[in-house]
Amino acid sequence: DQQVKQNSPSLSVQEGRISILNCDYTNSMFDYFLWYKKYPAEGPTFLISISSIKDKNEDGRFTVFLNKSAKHLSLHIVPSQPGDSAVYFCAASKVTGANNLFFGTGTRLTVIP
Amino acid sequence: GAGVSQSPSNKVTEKGKDVELRCDPISGHTALYWYRQSLGQGLEFLIYFQGNSAPDKSGLPSDRFSAERTGGSVSTLTIQRTQQEDSAVYLCASSRAGAWTDTQYFGPGTRLTVL
Repeated sequence: DQQVKQNSPSLSVQEGRISILNCDYTNSMFDYFLWYKKYPAEGPTFLISISSIKDKNEDGRFTVFLNKSAKHLSLHIVPSQPGDSAVYFCAASKVTGANNLFFGTGTRLTVIP
Repeated sequence: GAGVSQSPSNKVTEKGKDVELRCDPISGHTALYWYRQSLGQGLEFLIYFQGNSAPDKSGLPSDRFSAERTGGSVSTLTIQRTQQEDSAVYLCASSRAGAWTDTQYFGPGTRLTVL
């Protein structure tokens, strides 16, 4: 039962344009959401997060938007750079419990120079 | 400082054999997690250690899987009588205190292939 879903397995964007990666979740108990970036043969690295009390968090070129009523979040990268090419995982966690992360299946972003 | 390290980076084994995967968390991190990523799947939670508390084993897929954490630091994930469906990348992560907002830092993973 996939509680966090990334329906687009891949995305290609021209350098300098905006990349928008989407994520949906089903569990209303999720209170904290994260995006991780993963290069081949490396572990995921934390990129940006947002708590459920906010609807937007920005860090440089990266902005995460959260729509709790729609159980949807998105990651915007602008402007996109070739070095952003990687697999992006959306993740969620609950306030209670083991604090383990529930991950989506990832979206492979390719930024074309 | 040093990040999370895992060994081996790759492991090929025959069906039915036991394997041990090792994780060295970031020094001082009290929380340690094991995840696995199977082909085409997201990362799947396996087990969680927090300090000296009993581990949360709720994600372990079968009783062939076990893990221990010695001295609150190094962790070993053991898979007994491996099956082909165990083939995956096994990732370890640690966080400072296991709070829900603490960033989890991941190791590079161990790619397990069961023939």
